[in-house]
Amino acid sequence: AVQLVESGGGLVQPKESLKISCAASGFTFSNAAMYWVRQAPGKGLEWVARIRTKPNNYATYYADSVKGRFTISRDDSKSMVYLQMDNLKTEDTAMYYCTAGPSYFDYWGQGVMVTVSS
Amino acid sequence: DIVMTQSPSSLAVSAGETVTINCKSSQSLLSSGNQKNYLAWYQQKPGQSPKLLIYLASTRESGVPDRFIGSGSGTDFTLTISSVQAEDLADYYCQQHYSYPLTFGSGTKLEIK
Repeated sequence: AVQLVESGGGLVQPKESLKISCAASGFTFSNAAMYWVRQAPGKGLEWVARIRTKPNNYATYYADSVKGRFTISRDDSKSMVYLQMDNLKTEDTAMYYCTAGPSYFDYWGQGVMVTVSS
Repeated sequence: DIVMTQSPSSLAVSAGETVTINCKSSQSLLSSGNQKNYLAWYQQKPGQSPKLLIYLASTRESGVPDRFIGSGSGTDFTLTISSVQAEDLADYYCQQHYSYPLTFGSGTKLEIK
């Protein structure tokens, strides 16, 4: 069965950095585009970032709200995807979901909470 | 960016009734190349991660009950849930997968009377 397990969330102060991780299993990770989608408390869903596969040069894409501050990366040898979040803002407080799919999201992790507060 | 407008924001129905949720996109989601509409629907039950119900506007994900029906084309789409059950209590979101940035509707909260 497909599993996506996020880790690394927590409480940080504004302008600090945090890196969250996602361990994937149950599918051919190296063939899959990977994404991060977030959901602020009580709010809707927001796509954050995408990373393509090796044949597509690991191309990355970002929402305007995080461009220049967040970096998505992957390690195909470990079936891991990461989100490095720098210069965090209070509005980045959200549950962050690791997802996979062609451009809609077949698979979702359970999410990891990131809280940005002073 | 493509803006997705969902309606209603909430609704309450009795078990056994039929529910219709609407989603309108600011640009057409119909590909001229393959005549497919790039629209997905998700269900998010309380305390859970979202779950894919429908993609390409009308293709039901494996294992999704056939009472969930996606329809529409171009800019106007509908999720119909026939014979609603108590377990369908959830938030429902549409998402365009036509172009980046990928965008979601604001959600519809379904309550069961």
